[in-house]
Amino acid sequence: DAGITQSPRHKVTETGTPVTLRCHQTENHRYMYWYRQDPGHGLRLIHYSYGVKDTDKGEVSDGYSVSRSKTEDFLLTLESATSSQTSVYFCAISESLQISYEQYFGPGTRLTVT
Amino acid sequence: SQQGEEDPQALSIQEGENATMNCSYKTSINNLQWYRQNSGRGLVHLILIRSNEREKHSGRLRVTLDTSKKSSSLLITASRAADTASYFCATDLVQGGSEKLVFGKGTKLTVNP
Repeated sequence: DAGITQSPRHKVTETGTPVTLRCHQTENHRYMYWYRQDPGHGLRLIHYSYGVKDTDKGEVSDGYSVSRSKTEDFLLTLESATSSQTSVYFCAISESLQISYEQYFGPGTRLTVT
Repeated sequence: SQQGEEDPQALSIQEGENATMNCSYKTSINNLQWYRQNSGRGLVHLILIRSNEREKHSGRLRVTLDTSKKSSSLLITASRAADTASYFCATDLVQGGSEKLVFGKGTKLTVNP
């Protein structure tokens, strides 16, 4: 988890409220990713970023938006949280998008939508 | 869509025994990676094996890759209680002109002291 922090680490929110999760890195890596992890589904990619202001969709992007205004910060926003978005969210970083590079993961954020 | 699938879903062994986990995938790959996740933590990269490699070692870890069978195995020798974790394989998937890393659902390993 070194060099990557996520905030908050735990959050409980109500359906319909907006939620923003923050990922902060000190490694100066160009690529950043948001995943969600659910029982029976493993890790699924939500969005990723390949530079400041450059982002793209992943496998399960509906209901989520992202922003990256600085190299070190990647924000994930749930505009109107739903119960199906209850999950553990992981941020990851890598030096390159090429899959021959390993990804480094943050400690995760456990989000509960009631 | 799921690219890699680990087998078994759960494995329980005694300390000192070897643990073998398998990963099968559907489409051709360039590389395959294995990650470990301790309970409540993020994933940690263990090892990467390229499609032109058949076997790779790192400490007590041995990874094999059989591209003809589209499968890989992770062997942990002389297991320790600290090896208790979930293990994931990750494979590359090319979609829409971009490469993505796709994770399997994982094997939960329990090493009993």
